[in-house]
Amino acid sequence: DTGVSQNPRHKITKRGQNVTFRCDPISEHNRLYWYRQTLGQGPEFLTYFQNEAQLEKSRLLSDRFSAERPKGSFSTLEIQRTEQGDSAMYLCGTPGQGPPGELFFGEGSRLTVL
Amino acid sequence: AQTVTQSQPEMSVQEAETVTLSCTYDTSESDYYLFWYKQPPSRQMILVIRQEAYKQQNATENRFSVNFQKAAKSFSLKISDSQLGDAAMYFCAYRDSNYQLIWGAGTKLIIKP
Repeated sequence: DTGVSQNPRHKITKRGQNVTFRCDPISEHNRLYWYRQTLGQGPEFLTYFQNEAQLEKSRLLSDRFSAERPKGSFSTLEIQRTEQGDSAMYLCGTPGQGPPGELFFGEGSRLTVL
Repeated sequence: AQTVTQSQPEMSVQEAETVTLSCTYDTSESDYYLFWYKQPPSRQMILVIRQEAYKQQNATENRFSVNFQKAAKSFSLKISDSQLGDAAMYFCAYRDSNYQLIWGAGTKLIIKP
């Protein structure tokens, strides 16, 4: 258990529908990261939060993507008007208590767009 | 921009033997962290080992050790006494000064019983 819970674990949706993923860190972490991982590839950075402030967004995060972290605790990632290219694993990570840099990840939310 | 390259899409090793996974990276920074993460099938990504760039000594965690060659920008992972539970995707990652992780494409490690 890495202390990060993500749900749903798997979402199957039709193209054009909206989906929302949620990330719940068990412990308080001021930073929270979202990554996307497509099959056979390493994760790609999407965005990160420092408390409730969204400090950086990757150019991968098109206008159809929005992320929030109200109150600096849990975070949501919403994808509007899903496309087949959005099919991927969406990973949420938070820093550990050790030296800076390492992240603890949840089990991810897998999105399949039909 | 920093890049991380893992040139071995797949590696296999006999149980109890030693295997080395390769990773090279490109950066102009002098202070950074490097990591190896393990992702078992349908399981979450977990940290295997980390290396601070300012440390000359190679990091070791039980059966896992790294060969960090800063000048060559190389960061290989050695797994000794391979076990069936080591089968997974292994990702090399670079952490830049903005705390962003840049990942390689991964190496699939197969353990032969």
